[in-house]
Formats: sequence, C-alpha cells, structure tokens
Amino acid sequence: GAGVSQSPRYKVAKRGQDVALRCDPISGHVSLFWYQQALGQGPEFLTYFQNEAQLDKSGLPSDRFFAERPEGSVSTLKIQRTQQEDSAVYLCASSSRGPFGDTQYFGPGTRLTVL
Amino acid sequence: AQSVAQPEDQVNVAEGNPLTVKCTYSVSGNPYLFWYVQYPNRGLQFLLKYITGDNLVKGSYGFEAEFNKSQTSFHLKKPSALVSDSALYFCAVRDMSGGYNKLIFGAGTRLAVHP
Repeated sequence: GAGVSQSPRYKVAKRGQDVALRCDPISGHVSLFWYQQALGQGPEFLTYFQNEAQLDKSGLPSDRFFAERPEGSVSTLKIQRTQQEDSAVYLCASSSRGPFGDTQYFGPGTRLTVL
Repeated sequence: AQSVAQPEDQVNVAEGNPLTVKCTYSVSGNPYLFWYVQYPNRGLQFLLKYITGDNLVKGSYGFEAEFNKSQTSFHLKKPSALVSDSALYFCAVRDMSGGYNKLIFGAGTRLAVHP
C-alpha cells in the first residue's frame, strides 16, 4: 500500500515568506507526527495529532510555526515569516493506534531552504 | 528525561565483515527502542524495534539488535555487511511523557561499507 507522502519535496523561500508543507499519512493511521531535522542531526519532535486533535505542540520552535489536521487525515505545517534558521528537512510520520510502541512510518520529507 | 546516544559519528567496515552500530539510552521506566535507516534524500525507514521479550530483535534487510538492560545499550548488528547498507542510521527511544510514542532520536551514525 501507499506510504506517507509529503509535498513539496523541496522548497526554497526568501526570508520573510510564508510556507506550507503538506503531509498525507498512511490511510487509516490515527497518529501523525511532525519532526524537524537540521543538517547533520537527528530528527526532533515538533508536534503530534491524534485524529484532528493537536495533543502536543511543545516542540514547535516559535509562534511562527503552526500545524493543522482539520479532518484527521492530511496535515499541513505552516511557517510564517520564515527565517534562515528554519532551513531544515521537515519529516512527517504516521502510526496506527495500538497498545504499545506503535511503529512510526516516515515520509520522504520536505527540504526547506530559506535564503 | 529520555535520551539516546550514538557515540560514533561514522563506522567503516569492509563488505562481508560483521558490522555493529552502537546506541545507549537513558529512560525512566521500560525502554521502547527503535532503529531507523536514512538513505540520501529519503525519509527514515523502519528497521526494527524492541518493546519486550527476547533481547535479540530481528528486523529488515538482515539487521538485528541486542537489548542489554544492564549496559543500557541497544546496538545494531549485521553478520555480513553489504555496500548497499551504506547509509545514516538512527537509534530512537519512545518518550511517553505525553501519553503516546513521541520519538527521541540520537544524532545518527554514518555507516560506510567498502568493497
């Protein structure tokens, strides 16, 4: 079956522009996560959705970052007034609900470059 | 707080030789541990996980990992390396502080398998 897809794969933005990154999770997956991966580092948690509810946004770096999942499927991560430090790969992951340690399946990521 | 350490930035091994990629963890409670692999310009691919049970976990592509509670380690192993195994490997631990499986990643280890 289809895995997690993300679009666009690459995004170049001028500093100060707003960007929107899309994630299509695996069909039926309840949980959706966003991670940020800076160059040469491991992914870091940004935010988590269970269906349409955003249960944790503790990892969002600033109030310029906003995520939504209005119908409990597709999610969008929006970054307003982008800054150079926002340059990173943004990864989306989804998992089915289960009792223990459900595996997260990752999309290919969106590489954001802010000039 | 949960954390993961990957002490080696890079591991070099000759094709056909066994490989080990090291990971140590620090968690409160029982650890749920994961290994992912990342190829260039690709997202993270799940390799294996330890939740409970046998300390030796078998995963995809011939990889296995050994959970050692006394040494708080979860090293990734393969008996015979392939050139195609060359990639970036991430160890991760589940952070259940929010009541769900947010992942905390190590910094990654680059594996280079030489012909």
